[in-house]
Amino acid sequence: EVQLVESGGGLVQPGRSLRLSCAASGFTFDDYAMYWVRQAPGKGLEWVSGISWNSGTIHYADSVKGRFTISRDSAKNSLYLQMNSLRAEDTALYYCAKTHDYGGTHAYFDYWGQGTLVTVSS
Amino acid sequence: EIVLTQSPGTLSLSPGERATLSCRASQSVTSSYLAWYQQKPGQAPRLLIFGASSRATGIPDRFSGSGSGTDFTLTISRLEPEDFAVYYCQQYGNSPKTFGQGTKVEIK
Repeated sequence: EVQLVESGGGLVQPGRSLRLSCAASGFTFDDYAMYWVRQAPGKGLEWVSGISWNSGTIHYADSVKGRFTISRDSAKNSLYLQMNSLRAEDTALYYCAKTHDYGGTHAYFDYWGQGTLVTVSS
Repeated sequence: EIVLTQSPGTLSLSPGERATLSCRASQSVTSSYLAWYQQKPGQAPRLLIFGASSRATGIPDRFSGSGSGTDFTLTISRLEPEDFAVYYCQQYGNSPKTFGQGTKVEIK
């Protein structure tokens, strides 16, 4: 059974940093591209960042480019999102999502975690 | 960036009725790379349809997807109580991947 478990969310002041983690199990982590997708309270879905199977291809939404860094660790079957210079508009539930292929460029999200809440407020 | 517009915003129907949800793209979606997701309150999204018309694993056959180019449709043939939720379309053929704003299917 595919499982994705996010952690690391919390309340943080504007301008500060936070690191999210996603622990993956139930599939061969190295074979698939992975993404972070967020959902602001009461709003729709927005993809944030994606990383290919070998970290060779990385994508960021314009809204987070230069502030967020995605990475993965195959030894730990884990996905990460380092979030710096956080803003109030980054407040959202952050989901870890598995794609159906290795590259991620033309990939949909076939499994999602339950999300970790990030609140940016003074 | 491809903008996806979903309509209607809210659909009020009774169990057993047919639901038809629309997703219109601002430009043609490459190779019908369009997916549909279902999200219930307090839950993560769940993949229903990929490639515009292929059902994901374990999805009942009352869910069907159709369309190409710029116009796509998700049809639920007979609504079950567990189908009342928010539905999102997403295109993954062009970067950035974009989602529609969602259609809420509520009990009438």
